[in-house]
Amino acid sequence: QKEVEQDPGPLSVPEGAIVSLNCTYSNSAFQYFMWYRQYSRKGPELLMYTYSSGNKEDGRFTAQVDKSSKYISLFIRDSQPSDSATYLCAMSLMEYGNKLVFGAGTILRVKS
Amino acid sequence: EPEVTQTPSHQVTQMGQEVILRCVPISNHLYFYWYRQILGQKVEFLVSFYNNEISEKSEIFDDQFSVERPDGSNFTLKIRSTKLEDSAMYFCASSENIKQYFGPGTRLTVT
Repeated sequence: QKEVEQDPGPLSVPEGAIVSLNCTYSNSAFQYFMWYRQYSRKGPELLMYTYSSGNKEDGRFTAQVDKSSKYISLFIRDSQPSDSATYLCAMSLMEYGNKLVFGAGTILRVKS
Repeated sequence: EPEVTQTPSHQVTQMGQEVILRCVPISNHLYFYWYRQILGQKVEFLVSFYNNEISEKSEIFDDQFSVERPDGSNFTLKIRSTKLEDSAMYFCASSENIKQYFGPGTRLTVT
């Protein structure tokens, strides 16, 4: 079983749609959960991070963590063509200086 | 806004040659990392570095790899004898806490 699983997509949606991106993980020791956005041949850009279970909102983005199900989600409201990118989930055991374990990334295409 | 920078953006080298990839982390960050991403695959952790020593390394980070912080600003990754399978994007990252900020990457092509 992979440590972090993420559907690679691609996920194609019309502009203005609500997008749901998800990851599952197997290691219950993960405490910190992050979402990165990566444009083609660029470095990952941190979008959001959450600690333990619960929701966190930042503008059009909402991150959700359900530790009991080992499932995390990123919701994008009112999606825009500029949101077209690969979205990577990442997880860490500790807060300081710890490696990130990434999912494979989901390709998102928002059509105008 | 401060950012992580990396040089060169693209490096082509022959198998068996040594390469050094350079990174300038964000200035007040204390933790430094190298990751790599083979084309079409996930981002993989290589090594983390804190207080002038390696704090963690992956199985990928074998004796052919080394890291160094030669001065107060640069952080380097050296591959002693490159192999074809070392071809990948190499990302440097830095953090002061959980938030790791990535550089734009160096594309390494080994021929």
